[in-house]
Amino acid sequence: GDSVTQMEGPVTLSEEAFLTINCTYTATGYPSLFWYVQYPGEGLQLLLKATKADDKGSNKGFEATYRKETTSFHLEKGSVQVSDSAVYFCALIEGDSSYKLIFGSGTRLLVRP
Amino acid sequence: DTGVSQDPRHKITKRGQNVTFRCDPISEHNRLYWYRQTLGQGPEFLTYFQNEAQLEKSRLLSDRFSAERPKGSFSTLEIQRTEQGDSAMYLCASSLEEPGREFFGPGTRLTVL
Repeated sequence: GDSVTQMEGPVTLSEEAFLTINCTYTATGYPSLFWYVQYPGEGLQLLLKATKADDKGSNKGFEATYRKETTSFHLEKGSVQVSDSAVYFCALIEGDSSYKLIFGSGTRLLVRP
Repeated sequence: DTGVSQDPRHKITKRGQNVTFRCDPISEHNRLYWYRQTLGQGPEFLTYFQNEAQLEKSRLLSDRFSAERPKGSFSTLEIQRTEQGDSAMYLCASSLEEPGREFFGPGTRLTVL
């Protein structure tokens, strides 16, 4: 079945460092891809998404590009802040008519001042 | 827009007891989802409602679990004869038609002793 694999955390960075969180997926069709973020004590929030190959999703300085050839959707940010400390989940939805989000196991990011 | 709310936020129960959780979606959202998240893992899909109709149940949802959404508004998730393995965070989400644009509630954390 469809699945999402994320790099294990925690990822610990200093403020203003460059961030990459790797995400690869397995899907039989053409999924839409998402990054969700869970800040401490808060619910999951959609961070960004991409619905087709080569699309780039972006929000709050984060970016991810849908790479069909490598089945990847890596999350990047050029300069992280302490407020970015959270757990990040990569997810997919299979096809246009589906509705089930399939999540990766999450990657915890800790940014130190 | 008050967001998705869930009640209670925390529930501690003894093995064998029944528990019921409530989810109030964003008012105009016709789709409602339940997910379960265990420690260190991403959320896993449990069930989906479109208006009052329950359109899909995951195989994770054993016969001890039942979900309802009367009148297509709030939803309840009941677990009968709870087991220690049911300990998890139960997340509710709602959306309009666009896949992946779910708004998640803060979750109900269940601990079964």
